[in-house]
Amino acid sequence: QITLKESGPTLVKPTQTLTLTCTFSGFSLSESGVGVGWFRQPPGKALEWLALIYWAGDKGYSPSLKRRLTITKDTSENQVVLTMTNMDPVDTATYYCAHRRCGGGSCYHTFDYWGQGTLVTVTS
Amino acid sequence: QSALTQPPSASGSPGQSVTISCTGTSSDVGGYNYISWYQQHPGKAPKLMIYEVSTRPSGVPDRFSGSKSGNTASLTVSGLQAEDEADYYCSSYAGSNNYYVFGTGTQVTVL
Repeated sequence: QITLKESGPTLVKPTQTLTLTCTFSGFSLSESGVGVGWFRQPPGKALEWLALIYWAGDKGYSPSLKRRLTITKDTSENQVVLTMTNMDPVDTATYYCAHRRCGGGSCYHTFDYWGQGTLVTVTS
Repeated sequence: QSALTQPPSASGSPGQSVTISCTGTSSDVGGYNYISWYQQHPGKAPKLMIYEVSTRPSGVPDRFSGSKSGNTASLTVSGLQAEDEADYYCSSYAGSNNYYVFGTGTQVTVL
């Protein structure tokens, strides 16, 4: 059974750096094709994709946030970490991590298991 | 990177059908058959309902179906049930830079 859980601070101050950890089970980031993505959703607003890391270490970032984001993985600890620099109140959102769907020897451009999300509020 | 356009709301009575559109460009929706649809109930994480335009993961009722024509994808929910009342988001893969774009979201109400 695949599960993911986000952890990190619930409150950050403007200009600070946010570090979020996604701890997962039920799959390994050393398996070919596997990936973990990060997403966010401001209160009452739409989902937004932030970043993605693949089993081989390839990474992708939202073009609009690329200069502020870093995604890394710790395969032995089954964790993916997202850092976002220079936080602003507009970054207040629920942050989710999710598993890239794989099955039957194929992987897909979609995400089938999601964490419960963690609300991060940016305020002074 | 602009969000895909969805109608803000849609509604139908129990047993009826509702269709939600998702309009993008040739760089996303029109360029790839990697369209996903997610259902999200209030306070909950998104749930994958459709991927690759029209494929349902196991456990998703066949009342949910997807299609695509040009730069517009669609999700149809047939035989509406009370539990289908939720927000729905489309998403499209958008290229070799490994990025994804989401829709603006549609709130479905079962009357």
